[in-house]
Amino acid sequence: DTGVSQNPRHKITKRGQNVTFRCDPISEHNRLYWYRQTLGQGPEFLTYFQNEAQLEKSRLLSDRFSAERPKGSFSTLEIQRTEQGDSAMYLCASSSGATGARNEKLFFGSGTQLSVL
Amino acid sequence: AQTVTQSQPEMSVQEAETVTLSCTYDTSESDYYLFWYKQPPSRQMILVIRQEAYKQQNATENRFSVNFQKAAKSFSLKISDSQLGDAAMYFCACLNYGQNFVFGPGTRLSVLP
Repeated sequence: DTGVSQNPRHKITKRGQNVTFRCDPISEHNRLYWYRQTLGQGPEFLTYFQNEAQLEKSRLLSDRFSAERPKGSFSTLEIQRTEQGDSAMYLCASSSGATGARNEKLFFGSGTQLSVL
Repeated sequence: AQTVTQSQPEMSVQEAETVTLSCTYDTSESDYYLFWYKQPPSRQMILVIRQEAYKQQNATENRFSVNFQKAAKSFSLKISDSQLGDAAMYFCACLNYGQNFVFGPGTRLSVLP
């Protein structure tokens, strides 16, 4: 078990550029979540997947944000035309999500810190 | 929709003393789970303790225990024998079974030597 892996750890970009982050969940986990966190605040839900299906998207997620999990394994989060307000830590997490599972726990990656200049 | 509230933005405790962090939540579901996560300066989120709503017994993990009051929708975290390494942001979270995790705004805990 290598845990949840996120790349890159840090990303600095200029306003208006596109960025893409990658998340590799724990291998047997069906559910994958994306959260955004600004300093001193709690994680804010963005979206989550059950296998390759995107089950829920936050209304906070503008059209500039898109997430995919094409084969139900790794996921990517893309932000188009970045704005300074997008600067935050982007956290990925996974859980087993197995039907009937009563031991659901979220395991987090180390996050990708995005700075938009 | 679920909501999670943590009314204490900051708390401090003397080393070796006990501290209690408060959390209230709101959900219309009967089947849900509650969590406390710790986020040290490294910003890695670490699970501290977990409680199933259908269990009346309060969860404990070594020096960490919870006081789960289902009717009041309250879920406080007690840290006994506080250590310097306990200093971190603590987030309360709620999971409605089959849905997504919702986090509170967090409590920053300082441990004084």
